[in-house]
Amino acid sequence: KNEVEQSPQNLTAQEGEFITINCSYSVGISALHWLQQHPGGGIVSLFMLSSGKKKHGRLIATINIQEKHSSLHITASHPRDSAVYICAAGPGGTYKYIFGTGTRLKVLA
Amino acid sequence: DADVTQTPRNRITKTGKRIMLECSQTKGHDRMYWYRQDPGLGLRLIYYSFDVKDINKGEISDGYSVSRQAQAKFSLSLESAIPNQTALYFCATSDSGQLNTEAFFGQGTRLTVV
Repeated sequence: KNEVEQSPQNLTAQEGEFITINCSYSVGISALHWLQQHPGGGIVSLFMLSSGKKKHGRLIATINIQEKHSSLHITASHPRDSAVYICAAGPGGTYKYIFGTGTRLKVLA
Repeated sequence: DADVTQTPRNRITKTGKRIMLECSQTKGHDRMYWYRQDPGLGLRLIYYSFDVKDINKGEISDGYSVSRQAQAKFSLSLESAIPNQTALYFCATSDSGQLNTEAFFGQGTRLTVV
């Protein structure tokens, strides 16, 4: 069993739909990181959170430390949101992060 | 210009050849990392460096070496490339100021070893 698991692995949605991507982890963490990998390969940091909820534009990330679970929500999805979304969990320090295998999202116009 | 720049972006090389992947950053960060990404697997850490004189092996360092030429430059070398080193390689940086800091990634280098 992987220490960081994401679900679903693949997701296809229609433009405008509300999307949820889940991340469960079994390691102790001090922070969890959500990343977006564009079709061209580049990786961009979306959120880093250790408790509660963060919002940036149409993206919302939540974390439940007790349940060892985080979710990434996308409201009013758009084709430009099509990407691979990766969560990374770690006990402290970027070099200790354990990465999930990613959720491939495709948003259709 | 990107904050973290990797060169080359794509490379095809033959088995047994030595190859160097380069990374430079303008973030002013002390910490730099090299990861590889394989289909169906999460990013895995190859090497990391906390400063010019502090270099550490990651999870999968066998077959790789690194050089931190300056605070802004961190190179990854494959001394004798083999086909199972075909992967997407990422360089990343982070600030050393806090325990949990955001990581900034390069655009990736797609390496194919034939």
